[in-house]
Amino acid sequence: GAGVSQSPSNKVTEKGKDVELRCDPISGHTALYWYRQSLGQGLEFLIYFQGNSAPDKSGLPSDRFSAERTGGSVSTLTIQRTQQEDSAVYLCASSLTRPGQGTTGELFFGEGSRLTVL
Amino acid sequence: AQSVTQLDSHVSVSEGTPVLLRCNYSSSYSPSLFWYVQHPNKGLQLLLKYTSAATLVKGINGFEAEFKKSETSFHLTKPSAHMSDAAEYFCVVSDRGRTGGGADGLTFGKGTHLIIQP
Repeated sequence: GAGVSQSPSNKVTEKGKDVELRCDPISGHTALYWYRQSLGQGLEFLIYFQGNSAPDKSGLPSDRFSAERTGGSVSTLTIQRTQQEDSAVYLCASSLTRPGQGTTGELFFGEGSRLTVL
Repeated sequence: AQSVTQLDSHVSVSEGTPVLLRCNYSSSYSPSLFWYVQHPNKGLQLLLKYTSAATLVKGINGFEAEFKKSETSFHLTKPSAHMSDAAEYFCVVSDRGRTGGGADGLTFGKGTHLIIQP
């Protein structure tokens, strides 16, 4: 597709259940980012992928959160044993990178997955 | 280390009047600077970017920003606000001298909510 695609767009789940959120980046973009945006808050960085590896996992809030990326393309963010405080919009973005210089800085965002934990 | 401060969490202007959204940054390297806009229930979209070329940068929808190194500022302006400008605006600094770590050198401000009064 032309842009970053995220699914599901909305997810309602019960406390304690596991959820998977999917991100399909723009073709050819090697960098992929996950952010969390809670109501009225800015963006909270979660994890960054360069290809299939994650050089920076520093933002993952707990060991209940994990993410993987396969084939240098699609990424999945998994939240185990969800808690009410996990309710937020999870945004994915992708970017081109330049060898030795990291990202160009211009991120292309999906519309997000809104997670509600009851 | 780098940081970005958006000086106002909320800005309210009347339709047809000028818009000023303030952003100050700190960076140890030559930064790239960006403004993103987020309309309700949407992902973020790039408005404009500064990457060490002209210090006055023009973006989409009539917005522009001026990079002032002496003031470490990158304020966003628009001569005449339109109702469709109502959104959340994020200032972002990308430390191009670094690679890896901290979401590959990207730091987001906490956002400014722009309200347009009819």
